[in-house]
Amino acid sequence: QVQLVQSGAEVKKPGASVKVSCKASGYTFTGYYMHWVRQAPGQGLEWMGWINPNSGGTNYAQKFQGRVTMTRDTSISTAYMELSRLRSDDTAVYYCARDPPTVTLHWYFDLWGRGTLVTVSS
Amino acid sequence: DIQMTQSPSSLSASVGDRVTITCQASQDISNYLNWYQQKPGKAPKLLIYDASNLETGVPSRFSGSGSGTDFTFTISSLQPEDIATYYCQQRGTFGGGTKVEIK
Repeated sequence: QVQLVQSGAEVKKPGASVKVSCKASGYTFTGYYMHWVRQAPGQGLEWMGWINPNSGGTNYAQKFQGRVTMTRDTSISTAYMELSRLRSDDTAVYYCARDPPTVTLHWYFDLWGRGTLVTVSS
Repeated sequence: DIQMTQSPSSLSASVGDRVTITCQASQDISNYLNWYQQKPGKAPKLLIYDASNLETGVPSRFSGSGSGTDFTFTISSLQPEDIATYYCQQRGTFGGGTKVEIK
């Protein structure tokens, strides 16, 4: 079925990096942009950036520029989000979310992964 | 950057009530406004896209309207399963959320 399956929870120390994966199934991975959105405990949603799985092109929110890297492996229909120099306020659930099919962005997210909890603690 | 102001931050209503949430953009965003529902411990779910289009499979009691800077999300008859937090979104910006509870 059509779904996004994310990797499991992570616990990291401040200053470390984390890489979260998002495996797509049931649809053509390269036909849909993929976004990453995070949610700190008890807080709202925060968009981090997108990747075009076809070209590998990316666009990151200014807040995360220099710390986030989004990549993909088309051979296994998987997108990745790596966040470096982690701080305690990076503790959050990280979601991948699909943009509807088209050659351009729609900027709405019609399919979401279940989320990956990243805890940053010394 | 465009700011999205969502209100109220929380509300309590009875089953069957009409519920309205508003979202105001800091500048004209045409109809590029989407609405999501998030239940505790779950990922958000798309309900309305491009201000007024109902996502496939979403009950018709949910609706959206507006253009420019002012947008409205409505639940015509609140159901117990509608208890959730609702977010508006414009491109890379989300509203602060509205927590809907049953009175």
